[in-house]
Amino acid sequence: AQTVTQSQPEMSVQEAETVTLSCTYDTSESDYYLFWYKQPPSRQMILVIRQEAYKQQNATENRFSVNFQKAAKSFSLKISDSQLGDAAMYFCAYLYSGGGADGLTFGKGTHLIIQP
Amino acid sequence: DTAVSQTPKYLVTQMGNDKSIKCEQNLGHDTMYWYKQDSKKFLKIMFSYNNKELIINETVPNRFSPKSPDKAHLNLHINSLELGDSAVYFCASSHRRLAGEGQYFGPGTRLLVL
Repeated sequence: AQTVTQSQPEMSVQEAETVTLSCTYDTSESDYYLFWYKQPPSRQMILVIRQEAYKQQNATENRFSVNFQKAAKSFSLKISDSQLGDAAMYFCAYLYSGGGADGLTFGKGTHLIIQP
Repeated sequence: DTAVSQTPKYLVTQMGNDKSIKCEQNLGHDTMYWYKQDSKKFLKIMFSYNNKELIINETVPNRFSPKSPDKAHLNLHINSLELGDSAVYFCASSHRRLAGEGQYFGPGTRLLVL
């Protein structure tokens, strides 16, 4: 079974600086999707960025980018120019591409604190 | 316009009661899900439905019964509530053939069983 590991329970960064959140996963599949979700104190789960395993190019969405290393099974999230509104729990998630109705497998989350 | 909505947002009830949570999506998706987030924030899939058909039923007690009257709705009924059922329950939806686009979540329902 696949597993997702986020080894940093909490991270802290100064406003306007850059922070990287780590995620590793374990799977025997070669084609899959990876996601980062943000959960602010409002509790809403917000999709931040997604990556398809067959694409070598790292995904970017404005200030958010990923470093996808398929061989190492690593999928880190970089947040540039951190803003106060980035403070939230961040979850890494995995989905096998052949299981269209499968549930996401989530990591335990990283609590990101932004210092003003 | 809310894409995935859930009602109620908060539910406080006594042990042994029966309660329901409703979910609706207006994204035109064909697949809907229920997730449970425990007190440590860990999220775990409970059920998934595709076109009203049950696809996934993770090891969830049979006190939990999902029902999908149509593709846009997925409700969760819980019988004989227990203290351990206290959690946040999220509904989500996606397109089965476009799974790589991700799943879109409702605002969650915080259930507290006393």
